[in-house]
Amino acid sequence: ELKVEQNPLFLSMQEGKNYTIYCNYSTTSDRLYWYRQDPGKSLESLFVLLSNGAVKQEGRLMASLDTKARLSTLHITAAVHDLSATYFCAVDSTGAGSYQLTFGKGTKLSVIP
Amino acid sequence: SQTIHQWPATLVQPVGSPLSLECTVEGTSNPNLYWYRQAAGRGLQLLFYSVGIGQISSEVPQNLSASRPQDRQFILSSKKLLLSDSGFYLCAWSKGNTIYFGEGSWLTVV
Repeated sequence: ELKVEQNPLFLSMQEGKNYTIYCNYSTTSDRLYWYRQDPGKSLESLFVLLSNGAVKQEGRLMASLDTKARLSTLHITAAVHDLSATYFCAVDSTGAGSYQLTFGKGTKLSVIP
Repeated sequence: SQTIHQWPATLVQPVGSPLSLECTVEGTSNPNLYWYRQAAGRGLQLLFYSVGIGQISSEVPQNLSASRPQDRQFILSSKKLLLSDSGFYLCAWSKGNTIYFGEGSWLTVV
């Protein structure tokens, strides 16, 4: 059974600071996804990482994937209040792009002014 | 452009009552369709997925069922709801390397 673990589950950080969210998974996969969820809302796709060493950046967020270590990171640079949300990583357990995703429990990020 | 519609957005149902959540996709053909559930304070769990009309795969044993009567229609049902069925239900579709989530349905079983 595929397990996806995120840490930390809760993160409170000041504006302007940097931090990293970690996502570990238990079985071989080269497809990892990051999503953002605002309270009461659906999921917004942030990054799709499809190969070992993949790195993608969008604004203050950067995601990377190390398939050998079964680890993905979501790095936040100079946080701003608008980044407050819950962030999920998800792994495609079939490895075939069929989106049978296994999600982590999420990291609730609060950026304090 | 492709769109996904999911309804109702919110519902409160008594224990033992039936459930029907509907999802339709527009602007594409033969998509893979999915139902996910998010229980309070938890991540999302895949419930069902479908690769074609009448083809349903279940990931988790439960008192829920899914049907795909048309190519772009996916329905989540229950004959008798349990308290543990409360949560946020998300329909999604995918084609190629992209998955799109609907706006979600909040279900509270009382």
